[in-house]
Amino acid sequence: AQSVSQHNHHVILSEAASLELGCNYSYGGTVNLFWYVQYPGQHLQLLLKYFSGDPLVKGIKGFEAEFIKSKFSFNLRKPSVQWSDTAEYFCAVRVDSNYQLIWGAGTKLIIKP
Amino acid sequence: ETGVTQTPRHLVMGMTNKKSLKCEQHLGHNAMYWYKQSAKKPLELMFVYSLEERVENNSVPSRFSPECPNSSHLFLHLHTLQPEDSALYLCASSLDRASTGELFFGEGSRLTVL
Repeated sequence: AQSVSQHNHHVILSEAASLELGCNYSYGGTVNLFWYVQYPGQHLQLLLKYFSGDPLVKGIKGFEAEFIKSKFSFNLRKPSVQWSDTAEYFCAVRVDSNYQLIWGAGTKLIIKP
Repeated sequence: ETGVTQTPRHLVMGMTNKKSLKCEQHLGHNAMYWYKQSAKKPLELMFVYSLEERVENNSVPSRFSPECPNSSHLFLHLHTLQPEDSALYLCASSLDRASTGELFFGEGSRLTVL
């Protein structure tokens, strides 16, 4: 069965540190890839998405993600985090023409001021 | 403002109670979803409605009963729940069923079953 793995449940960083959150999926066919973010007390919202084309995708708030097909990965990055980036981040994958999203378990990111 | 409103935000109920969760979207979308969010687990898709027709039911126990009276409103009726049903229940919408990756979520209804 298809699955999505997020490597770390919790990540703690200081402000201005660089961020990389891992996301790997198990499926060999065509995929659409997504990162969602949930700030404390707020709704889940789409951060960025990949459908096709340039594997380096830029999203809101300075985030980017790179699709590496050979590694089945879609890692989220930000060169310099801010305290306001404290949130939970979810990776999700849609396979082929299946309408259902497969979700990772999320990574809680805490940024120390 | 997300465009998707859920009520109540918090609900505590006993195992013999009957309650309902409500979701309303103001985005003109044609697909609506119920998800269950539990700590340290992936989001679990419960139900999908497209143009008011239920198109997916992911083996959800019958103690959860969805209702979609029109394309803007979605309900989740709850009865004889178990403590393990305590979770955050999220409603989401998308433009259509093909746009399932681009979901707009509500803030959720935090359910506690005693």
